[in-house]
Amino acid sequence: GAVVSQHPSRVICKSGTSVKIECRSLDFQATTMFWYRQFPKQSLMLMATSNEGSKATYEQGVEKDKFLINHASLTLSTLTVTSAHPEDSSFYICSANRDNGYTFGSGTRLTVV
Amino acid sequence: KNEVEQSPQNLTAQEGEFITINCSYSVGISALHWLQQHPGGGIVSLFMLSSGKKKHGRLIATINIQEKHSSLHITASHPRDSAVYICAVRSGGYNQFYFGTGTSLTVIP
Repeated sequence: GAVVSQHPSRVICKSGTSVKIECRSLDFQATTMFWYRQFPKQSLMLMATSNEGSKATYEQGVEKDKFLINHASLTLSTLTVTSAHPEDSSFYICSANRDNGYTFGSGTRLTVV
Repeated sequence: KNEVEQSPQNLTAQEGEFITINCSYSVGISALHWLQQHPGGGIVSLFMLSSGKKKHGRLIATINIQEKHSSLHITASHPRDSAVYICAVRSGGYNQFYFGTGTSLTVIP
């Protein structure tokens, strides 16, 4: 079945540094990938839609200069949290669409100290 | 008001019980998804529905488009079913997803 690999699964970084999260489709090509964020005890919230070869589309309230998305190939999308702050600590997860179904990565738990 | 409402928020069941989780939504949708999130955070897509009913193993999902309601049923529940179950609807544009806040299920042996 369709597999999406997300890396790293956990990361702790210092405030002010940047963190890159990778999302790879392993056995299919994903022209579109989605990035979500989930705060404790809250539901998933769509942050942005990543389109291969073009600029990402960000949801209202998501800072595009802080959450940099690059979708340079049909199998890889990256989310970079720039100048991270403790309030960016969250669970980030990607998903990709294939054959009208959605496959999710395993998620990345980011802790900013 | 959330576009997607789930009930109950928390559910504890004895092993073997029949479980129902409900989802109501207020927007027009192209599809409804049921997702399972385990304690570590990883998410598995269980079902995608646009009409009727689907069954996979002990899991059954139904949707009533007219009533804007979906249910997820688990038959013969097992402790390994313990997870958060999330209802998500896809509405309008390709990337418009609305998520419920989830139902936390604990199945006790």
